[in-house]
Amino acid sequence: EVQLVQSGAEVKKPGESLKISCEGSGYSFSIYWIGWVRQMPDKGLEWLGLIYPRDSDTRYSPSFQGQVTISADTSTNTAYVQWSALKASDTAMYYCVRRDRGVLLWGQGTLVTVSS
Amino acid sequence: QSALTQPASVSGSPGQSITISCSGTSSDVGDYSYVSWYQQHPGKAPKLMIYDVNNRPSGVSNRFSGSKSGNTASLTISGLQAEDEADYFCSSYTTISTLNVFGTGTKVTVL
Repeated sequence: EVQLVQSGAEVKKPGESLKISCEGSGYSFSIYWIGWVRQMPDKGLEWLGLIYPRDSDTRYSPSFQGQVTISADTSTNTAYVQWSALKASDTAMYYCVRRDRGVLLWGQGTLVTVSS
Repeated sequence: QSALTQPASVSGSPGQSITISCSGTSSDVGDYSYVSWYQQHPGKAPKLMIYDVNNRPSGVSNRFSGSKSGNTASLTISGLQAEDEADYFCSSYTTISTLNVFGTGTKVTVL
């Protein structure tokens, strides 16, 4: 079974760093684009960016370029997104997504709460 | 890039059929047959309901169907059931970006 399993919910303070993960299984991890999508309460979906694990080619949404870092480790079939200094406005649900042309496979989501 | 346009809400009575539209451009919906639809219940991850315009994954009810005409794709739910009440959004491959474009989302209410 193809699935993406994300790390658990996080509660952080503004200014702290954070790295959340997404482990893929049941498929050849290195040859599918994998990325991250943000969903804020009662808001639409926003791409943070995508990475191609085989060569680490990474594409960021202009809104998130410089704000987050996306990476992938093919030895553990795991993708990551990290923040160096969180803001309250980063509070949201973050989904890991595998892209196969038009088909998106979703992880279960990781809730990130940033509050002082 | 701009989001695909969906109606904010659609409602119907049990047993009825409803259709949700997803309007894009010649750079996304109009140029590819890579349109997909997702169902999202509150607090849950999105679930794939239709892919490549009109294909259902294994396990998805045949009450769900998809189509496309020009730059607009559509999702039809027939025989509406209470469990269909959820948010639905479309997505399309696009020539403009590696990042597939999302629809604005539609809340389906079963009256």
